[in-house]
Amino acid sequence: AQSVTQLDSQVPVFEEAPVELRCNYSSSVSVYLFWYVQYPNQGLQLLLKYLSGSTLVESINGFEAEFNKSQTSFHLRKPSVHISDTAEYFCAVTMNTGFQKLVFGTGTRLLVSP
Amino acid sequence: DTEVTQTPKHLVMGMTNKKSLKCEQHMGHRAMYWYKQKAKKPPELMFVYSYEKLSINESVPSRFSPECPNSSLLNLHLHALQPEDSALYLCASSPDHLRVTQYFGPGTRLTVL
Repeated sequence: AQSVTQLDSQVPVFEEAPVELRCNYSSSVSVYLFWYVQYPNQGLQLLLKYLSGSTLVESINGFEAEFNKSQTSFHLRKPSVHISDTAEYFCAVTMNTGFQKLVFGTGTRLLVSP
Repeated sequence: DTEVTQTPKHLVMGMTNKKSLKCEQHMGHRAMYWYKQKAKKPPELMFVYSYEKLSINESVPSRFSPECPNSSLLNLHLHALQPEDSALYLCASSPDHLRVTQYFGPGTRLTVL
């Protein structure tokens, strides 16, 4: 079975500062990895995903994540955050062999202040 | 277009009511999912439909009854709910059960009185 750990429940940061949201996973087999963002009172939006190929994946709004197999990590980074990035961020993992549940981490609340 | 729509946005119901949540996608996806999300928690999987057949039921109480009338629609019928069932109910879809990138709808905020 897979599991996901997001150690930081909340990350406060000032506008235009860089941020890293940490995600570590546990799995005995190869995985697919995802980051979803949830703005207040909304559903989840897919931010970016790693399925195969380049270990560095980017989103259209400046976020990036790097798949590190040796460290079983998929940390999310942004070099300069905006107030509008304030949201809950969920890391998720699933096995890459047939259907398996999407296993979510507990989420990290990113709080961007002026 | 990666849109999943859900209606209603909000629903308030008594414990004796019967209501339904609706989810629709027009992306040609053949796998659809229901999740329940409590405040400040990650989503919890409830049901999975693959090619209009129920493939996973995560031991959900029978007061929740899913239905997939066709490949674009997914319903969740609610009956005799409890106050602890109050939550955000999220629908998601993916191309199929192997191509697992899931796209979520905005959710229905359910309050059971």
